[in-house]
Amino acid sequence: DGGITQSPKYLFRKEGQNVTLSCEQNLNHDAMYWYRQDPGQGLRLIYYSQIVNDFQKGDIAEGYSVSREKKESFPLTVTSAQKNPTAFYLCASSSSSQETQYFGPGTRLLVL
Amino acid sequence: AQKVTQAQTEISVVEKEDVTLDCVYETRDTTYYLFWYKQPPSGELVFLIRRNSFDEQNEISGRYSWNFQKSTSSFNFTITASQVVDSAVYFCALTFFNYGQNFVFGPGTRLSVLP
Repeated sequence: DGGITQSPKYLFRKEGQNVTLSCEQNLNHDAMYWYRQDPGQGLRLIYYSQIVNDFQKGDIAEGYSVSREKKESFPLTVTSAQKNPTAFYLCASSSSSQETQYFGPGTRLLVL
Repeated sequence: AQKVTQAQTEISVVEKEDVTLDCVYETRDTTYYLFWYKQPPSGELVFLIRRNSFDEQNEISGRYSWNFQKSTSSFNFTITASQVVDSAVYFCALTFFNYGQNFVFGPGTRLSVLP
C-alpha cells in the first residue's frame, strides 16, 4: 500500500533532550513537509523539502532541524532549543509543491 | 497577501441536517488551486477535493458538494444529510502554480454532528 508513515504515534521528551520524529513515504513524491498543530489551532509549516539534499525553513523553524538524505525519508528533530514542543506533528508529501499534499497519521509529542 | 479565512470556528448540527462550511481566500495570483481536507478525531488529514482556478464548475461527490465562485473568492463546502461520522475539523487551503510556493491553510471549522 502506498502512503505516509510516521513514528512513533506518541513521544515523550524530557527537559533538555533532543527527539527525532520519523516520516517515510513510498509514493515517490519529491516534496515533503512538516507541520505543527496546537490544540484547537490550524497547521503551521515548520520545514519543507522540494528535493533530496535540499530543504527550507517554514514559518516556525526555530528549535527544529531536518535532513533529506533520501527521497522517501524526512526526519524532524525537535531540539532542546524548542521551549514549547508539546503539539501534534504532521508530515505530508506531494509530487511537487503545486500538487495535493497527502498526510501521515501524525505524532503527538508530550513533555515530561 | 495570500490568506484563507474560515469564519465559522465551530458548527453543531443534528444528524440529517444539511450544513455549509464557508471558505474565503485572498490572492493576487490568477492561477491557483483550492483544497478541502477533513481531520477526524484520529488526527490524520484526509484529502477531499482539489479545484483549479480555471474551473468554476461545481462538484458533487455523494453527500458532499463544493461551490467555487471566483467573483466572491469563495470555495464553500456543503454536506447534505449529515451523519455523525462527518464530525471532524475541516480545513480549506490554497496553493499556487508558481514553483516553490507552499500551501496556505485556513484555521479550520470544527463540525459536530449530533445524533
